[in-house]
Amino acid sequence: NAGVMQNPRHLVRRRGQEARLRCSPMKGHSHVYWYRQLPEEGLKFMVYLQKENIIDESGMPKERFSAEFPKEGPSILRIQQVVRGDSAAYFCASSGFWGDTEAFFGQGTRLTVV
Amino acid sequence: KQEVTQIPAALSVPEGENLVLNCSFTDSAIYNLQWFRQDPGKGLTSLLLIQSSQREQTSGRLNASLDKSSGRSTLYIAASQPGDSATYLCAVETSGTYKYIFGTGTRLKVLA
Repeated sequence: NAGVMQNPRHLVRRRGQEARLRCSPMKGHSHVYWYRQLPEEGLKFMVYLQKENIIDESGMPKERFSAEFPKEGPSILRIQQVVRGDSAAYFCASSGFWGDTEAFFGQGTRLTVV
Repeated sequence: KQEVTQIPAALSVPEGENLVLNCSFTDSAIYNLQWFRQDPGKGLTSLLLIQSSQREQTSGRLNASLDKSSGRSTLYIAASQPGDSATYLCAVETSGTYKYIFGTGTRLKVLA
């Protein structure tokens, strides 16, 4: 049973470009969470999604950021018109159901904006 | 609002020492607490998960305890090794939510 898979592992974008980060949850998991780790800071919650639904996006910046988790395929975190301050590690976690006692984390995508 | 604090921020010890890493949280109504390890530039490795009804969990040389009433958890590492060098993160899931609130971590360096 493969773990949570994130790709790419490293992503370099120029200012103004779009970044697309992908997360495939563990097999059988239908809940996905995105976290961001800025340099020298802790991980911060961004968004919680179930298949085809955004449950909580309270941690997501209001502009340029969006997330989806379609019926088929991975969850996507999309950052439009990236700026240097978006450079961070973005982690995805999945769980089997709301209230599942453990969330499993992926290896992260490290975004560098140049 | 749940806040998680980890002390110390950094720790450097000689090989073989027994270590205690501390985590404190402000809201005792937690669902579970999890300790992770993060190597530089890498992802998160789950070490131990303690559910709210439990007092401690053990895995090999690691032991984590939980005292909800005082808002504290400790991670005990026995007979530390250079391979234990990493950042250790504490994360709390507050009851009624599904989000983990992370501490900023303790950077551990074990010297050979």
